[in-house]
Amino acid sequence: QVQLVQSGAEVKKPGASVKVSCKASRYTFTSYAIHWVRQAPGQRLEWMGWINAGNGNTKYSQKFQGRVTITRDTSASTAYMELSSLRSEDTAVYYCARVREWELTSGAFDIWGQGTMVTVSS
Amino acid sequence: DIVMTQSPDSLAVSLGERATINCKSSQSVLYSSNNKNYLAWYQQKPGQPPKLLIYWASTRESGVPDRFSGSGSGTDFTLTISSLQAEDVAVYYCQQYYSTHSFGGGTKVEIK
Repeated sequence: QVQLVQSGAEVKKPGASVKVSCKASRYTFTSYAIHWVRQAPGQRLEWMGWINAGNGNTKYSQKFQGRVTITRDTSASTAYMELSSLRSEDTAVYYCARVREWELTSGAFDIWGQGTMVTVSS
Repeated sequence: DIVMTQSPDSLAVSLGERATINCKSSQSVLYSSNNKNYLAWYQQKPGQPPKLLIYWASTRESGVPDRFSGSGSGTDFTLTISSLQAEDVAVYYCQQYYSTHSFGGGTKVEIK
């Protein structure tokens, strides 16, 4: 079935960076945008940004501008989210998600990765 | 940024009874050129990612039981579970995708 599989849990020290991967399978990777959303413990879902998997264009939430970089490797059908200058408040589950509509960058998310727990602690 | 506000924060409903969740956006998410509301609803169970239930405010995703329905337009939206089942215990989120993306704070649904 169509799925997104993310990399495993990470533990990082404050000030470090983390890079989470999201591998797509059983659909044409370049035809759908991938978004990244995070969820801190007990908190609401928080949108971080998206990448057009076809042309590589990106857009980021102003909150994370300058700290987040979303990239993709079309040969590996994989998207990546890198967050730098980590602080304790970045401790959260990070999700990738696919936009439901073909070739649109904005829309509802029909396929989600399983989530990657990132813990920031000294 | 568009702020999404859900109410109530939690509700307890008897099995077989109706559950109603409200979502209000700080500005309209109705796109006039196509008359579509850029609003989705998700269900999230503990330890799982969110699951898409409703998009375009009222279109049910494939495979979602028809006891789930969405309604509303502009700034005010509702998710209704017509007959609550045990497996519906979860947190429900609304999301707007009219201007970037943002989510409501969630509504926890429990069995009374």
